[in-house]
Amino acid sequence: NAGVTQTPKFQVLKTGQSMTLQCAQDMNHEYMSWYRQDPGMGLRLIHYSVGAGITDQGEVPNGYNVSRSTTEDFPLRLLSAAPSQTSVYFCASSPAVGDRTQPQHFGDGTRLSIL
Amino acid sequence: GQSLEQPSEVTAVEGAIVQINCTYQTSGFYGLSWYQQHDGGAPTFLSYNALDGLEETGRFSSFLSRSDSYGYLLLQELQMKDSASYFCAVPNQAGTALIFGKGTTLSVSS
Repeated sequence: NAGVTQTPKFQVLKTGQSMTLQCAQDMNHEYMSWYRQDPGMGLRLIHYSVGAGITDQGEVPNGYNVSRSTTEDFPLRLLSAAPSQTSVYFCASSPAVGDRTQPQHFGDGTRLSIL
Repeated sequence: GQSLEQPSEVTAVEGAIVQINCTYQTSGFYGLSWYQQHDGGAPTFLSYNALDGLEETGRFSSFLSRSDSYGYLLLQELQMKDSASYFCAVPNQAGTALIFGKGTTLSVSS
């Protein structure tokens, strides 16, 4: 099983550029989330989805857009990149949240630098 | 909203026992989870507590006290490979996404 696949693994952008971080899972999970990880800040929730067509904001949603047109895919869009968005981005999926038998599965991350 | 507090760093030697504490504030409680992350890679699930008490999985155990809004991860017989970051996490108020603490970096020396 591929699990959760994130692309690209690395990306450098210039301030003001837009881009889409891709996330795909092949486990038929309903719940998907995007996190950003910065030194000393842990994993902060950006946006999440509880199923196709349903998304909601997390802790730090500003500057990001998401959509969920299929169960498998949950892309994250940076509308106008800013240096403050330099971070490592993780996508995660699970059949449910907070269930011992169904933990979150994380992708390997996208390392994004904005100059 | 949800918030979690855990120590930023812990150091220990091989073979020792270490405890990583986590206190949380949450509007609704669905359980406390622990995740491990090596060298900035993908976090991986370690354990989950929904009820009070100790859950044991090999060298790792996790404890929860709901009345104290407190839990801990206990790592026994430490090995060098246990050097990693450890995160506690609770579901958000709606139970639809996980909120993570800032993480504890464990350094194991020989």
